[in-house]
Amino acid sequence: DVKVTQSSRYLVKRTGEKVFLECVQDMDHENMFWYRQDPGLGLRLIYFSYDVKMKEKGDIPEGYSVSREKKERFSLILESASTNQTSMYLCASSPAGRGTQYFGPGTRLTVL
Amino acid sequence: QQQVKQSPQSLIVQKGGISIINCAYENTAFDYFPWYQQFPGKGPALLIAIRPDVSEKKEGRFTISFNKSAKQFSLHIMDSQPGDSATYFCAARDFFPDGKLTFGQGTILTVHP
Repeated sequence: DVKVTQSSRYLVKRTGEKVFLECVQDMDHENMFWYRQDPGLGLRLIYFSYDVKMKEKGDIPEGYSVSREKKERFSLILESASTNQTSMYLCASSPAGRGTQYFGPGTRLTVL
Repeated sequence: QQQVKQSPQSLIVQKGGISIINCAYENTAFDYFPWYQQFPGKGPALLIAIRPDVSEKKEGRFTISFNKSAKQFSLHIMDSQPGDSATYFCAARDFFPDGKLTFGQGTILTVHP
């Protein structure tokens, strides 16, 4: 069964803290994605990666960075968290060749 | 820049009724149009998808209608059930780069028993 796991379901951080969100997939997928989900705005792509050590900016990369050192793991980093980064963060993976994206359960991040 | 516009934002339907959610897009390079379903506390999951060379696709109670000339597509849920209550997202995929999806704003569907 397809599985994408995210390190935390809920996270509370303070303004200015460095935040790491981890995502792991067990499907040997080449592509991995980070989205944020906000009411009325849908899912917006932050960063994506087609291969280990490769990354591409999505639609809203400002304030975020990513790391992909291993094929199965894709990390989202908030260098200095701000209150406007309070959101639901979703990770997804897909096989190469534009296949279906499979999502993790999400991490609800609150920045105080 | 919202390239996929989805409506309505919320929808309330009685059990047994038809739920209709609409999406419109601008980018003619989109070549694949999936719908995702998301239950509370879960990530979105693929529900049904269509390619632009087909005008309709049906899977059980779920049907996608696609109008290429109008650049619109819609999801119809026949005989809606309380278990269909969820958030629905339409999406569109660019031919390039590989696998990138643009999502609509989402529709919260509530089906009353």
